[in-house]
Amino acid sequence: NAGVTQTPKFQVLKTGQSMTLQCAQDMNHNSMYWYRQDPGMGLRLIYYSASEGTTDKGEVPNGYNVSRLNKREFSLRLESAAPSQTSVYFCASSEAGGQGQPQHFGDGTRLSIL
Amino acid sequence: KQEVTQIPAALSVPEGENLVLNCSFTDSAIYNLQWFRQDPGKGLTSLLLIQSSQREQTSGRLNASLDKSSGRSTLYIAASQPGDSATYLCAGVGGSEKLVFGKGTKLTVNP
Repeated sequence: NAGVTQTPKFQVLKTGQSMTLQCAQDMNHNSMYWYRQDPGMGLRLIYYSASEGTTDKGEVPNGYNVSRLNKREFSLRLESAAPSQTSVYFCASSEAGGQGQPQHFGDGTRLSIL
Repeated sequence: KQEVTQIPAALSVPEGENLVLNCSFTDSAIYNLQWFRQDPGKGLTSLLLIQSSQREQTSGRLNASLDKSSGRSTLYIAASQPGDSATYLCAGVGGSEKLVFGKGTKLTVNP
């Protein structure tokens, strides 16, 4: 019953450090997503991958890169962390992109940038 | 650009009350609308998904409706329980095929 697994659950970084957030799903879903959730802003899409081998920008992609390593795994990388990237990051997956398919979420990574 | 609004931001009710959470969206060309529940410190749990061709979906004590012409969706919770306390989010998929979220309604059900 793993569903969508995110690691780590918590992380504290210093400004300028780099880090990769990991996400894996075991539901054989084609589409995967990265969101950030900030107080008063709701959830915003950072990047998504409609299928293995493809990635596309969402609403707030600046400062992030992604890799769809295989069908199961979709990682999010912060190359040079900034305090504005302090947030809760959620990974999600769905059977197919957008239309008609529910998205399933991980428990999130709580990231603080000092 | 699709925008999703949820009012009120917070709601407190006594146990046993029936209640309605509201969600409005700006783009009527919506493919589907999804309702989620989020518990503190946790991820989102999908509750109901309504396709654009449907008017409502039901799961247990929950009933979600969709009215594309008015740009509104409602989540009805019957006989509320303290365990229903959580933040409820709605999200719509429009022409961009991406979910656009509202900011949520924080529900507290008091024993």
